[in-house]
Amino acid sequence: EVQLLESGGGLVQPGGSLRLSCAASGFSFSTYIMSWVRQAPGQGLEWVSGISGSGGSTYYADSVKGRFTISRDNSKNTLYLQINSLRAEDTALYYCAKRNSVYEEFDYWGQGTLVTVSS
Amino acid sequence: QSVLTQPPSVSGAPGQRVTISCTGSSSNIGAGYDVHWYQQLPGTAPNLLIYANNNRPSGVPDRFSGSKSGTSASLAITGLQAEDEADYYCQSYDSSLSGYVFGTGTKVTVL
Repeated sequence: EVQLLESGGGLVQPGGSLRLSCAASGFSFSTYIMSWVRQAPGQGLEWVSGISGSGGSTYYADSVKGRFTISRDNSKNTLYLQINSLRAEDTALYYCAKRNSVYEEFDYWGQGTLVTVSS
Repeated sequence: QSVLTQPPSVSGAPGQRVTISCTGSSSNIGAGYDVHWYQQLPGTAPNLLIYANNNRPSGVPDRFSGSKSGTSASLAITGLQAEDEADYYCQSYDSSLSGYVFGTGTKVTVL
């Protein structure tokens, strides 16, 4: 059974930093592109970042480029998102999602970890 | 600033058929990229409902179906049930943005 478990969220002041983690199990982690998708309170879904199976290629939405860094440790089956220079508009529930290889849909999602940016 | 536009809400009585549109452009749906649909029940994570325009993952009832034409896609729910009350999102890839894009989301209400 595929499981994705996010952690690392919390309350942080504007300009602060956090590192989110996503522990994966139930599939060959290193084989798949993984992504982070966020959802602000009461709002829709926004793709944030993606990373290739090897970790050699990374992708970012323009809204987070230069502030967020995605990475993975395939030996630990764990995905990370380093978020710096946090702004109020980064307040959201952050989901990690597994991207299927053939049609590129997000076929499995975690339950999310909440990041709140406030002074 | 979603690039895929959906109606904010649709509603129907139990047993009825409802459709949700997803309107994109020549850099996403119109460019031939696949459209996927997700159902998000209240307080839960999104769940894959339709992949590659018109395919259902195992376990998804055949009451749900998808289609795509030109720069738009649609999700249809037939035989609407109370448990279908949720938010629904379309998703594709956009070549201009070089990233994945989601629709604005549609809340389905069962009257």
